[in-house]
Amino acid sequence: NAGVTQTPKFQVLKTGQSMTLQCAQDMNHEYMSWYRQDPGMGLRLIHYSVGAGITDQGEVPNGYNVSRSTTEDFPLRLLSAAPSQTSVYFCASSGRTSFVGEQYFGPGTRLTVT
Amino acid sequence: GENVEQHPSTLSVQEGDSAVIKCTYSDSASNYFPWYKQELGKRPQLIIDIRSNVGEKKDQRIAVTLNKTAKHFSLHITETQPEDSAVYFCAAFRRTGRRALTFGSGTRLQVQP
Repeated sequence: NAGVTQTPKFQVLKTGQSMTLQCAQDMNHEYMSWYRQDPGMGLRLIHYSVGAGITDQGEVPNGYNVSRSTTEDFPLRLLSAAPSQTSVYFCASSGRTSFVGEQYFGPGTRLTVT
Repeated sequence: GENVEQHPSTLSVQEGDSAVIKCTYSDSASNYFPWYKQELGKRPQLIIDIRSNVGEKKDQRIAVTLNKTAKHFSLHITETQPEDSAVYFCAAFRRTGRRALTFGSGTRLQVQP
């Protein structure tokens, strides 16, 4: 199993550009989530999904969209990039939705918006 | 929503000493409390977790305690080693409403050889 994979690993965007961060897992996990991690801070939840076709907002959803058309994939779209979105983005998945259980994190995407 | 506070933000200990990191949470609906270790430039990895129906859990040199009444939980690392140096995050999972983890702000642990 590859676990949780994310692409790209690094990305530089100009203000106003849009892009999609990809996340996939091959563990048949129902629960998937996106976090952002800013320097010296913990992880903040952007969006999450408890199954295909079901998504919900986290703490910091503004400026981001998600969709979950399959169990495996959970892409994160930046609609119009802003310097405040410069961060490291982690995708995570878990095999349980009732209490989440262990979340497996992807390797992260380091995004810089200039 | 849930709020998780973590202290201290940095902790330096001598090799072989114990380290304790403390967290408090605000939402009594939270029922699962994991701890993650993150090395520089890497992804967070689960090191231990505890559910709300358990007061203490131990795994070799690592232990976690939970006080539901006070809404406190703590990570204890004994006989610290240089490879324990990393950033540690606590988190709380709310079982109703927004079913998601809320993370503390992290503790940078440095173990001096």
